[in-house]
Amino acid sequence: GNSVTQMEGPVTLSEEAFLTINCTYTATGYPSLFWYVQYPGEGLQLLLKATKADDKGSNKGFEATYRKETTSFHLEKGSVQVSDSAVYFCALSESWGKLQFGAGTQVVVTP
Amino acid sequence: GAGVSQTPSNKVTEKGKYVELRCDPISGHTALYWYRQSLGQGPEFLIYFQGTGAADDSGLPNDRFFAVRPEGSVSTLKIQRTERGDSAVYLCASSVAGEGQETQYFGPGTRLLVL
Repeated sequence: GNSVTQMEGPVTLSEEAFLTINCTYTATGYPSLFWYVQYPGEGLQLLLKATKADDKGSNKGFEATYRKETTSFHLEKGSVQVSDSAVYFCALSESWGKLQFGAGTQVVVTP
Repeated sequence: GAGVSQTPSNKVTEKGKYVELRCDPISGHTALYWYRQSLGQGPEFLIYFQGTGAADDSGLPNDRFFAVRPEGSVSTLKIQRTERGDSAVYLCASSVAGEGQETQYFGPGTRLLVL
């Protein structure tokens, strides 16, 4: 069956550091890939997505590229801020919208 | 505009009791999803509605769990004979048509605690 694996947290960074959160997936077909974010005290919200191989999703300075050859969708940001402290979830969906999530990665950015 | 709303925000019940959790999706969204999120985990899929019908209920853990969406809008997740292991945050999401590439919009969740 399908699955999503992402790096364990917490990831602790200083402000302006480079952030990478690894995400790999297994899927039988050609899924769409997503990063969702959960800020403290808030609900899940979409950060970015990519619907086919080699697509790059981007939002709020975050980027992720759909790599079919390595079945990966790693999240990156060049310079994090304290306000980026949150839990980040990698997820996939196939032909219809059931999302399968990874376990989440907590990111803590210190001033 | 209004997002997905869920009520109650918190529910405390005793083992063996019956609970109902409500979800009000974004107006016009035909697809509605329920997920369950345990502490430190990602959300797990429970059930998906397309309109009034349950298109996929493969994530419901057992027959104590049931969900309805009688008019294709509001949905209710029903849990009978609650157990301590049912304690979790129950999330509802909606999307425009239920296609795989769509964005799902999540509600704030209902935190269920079974004592």
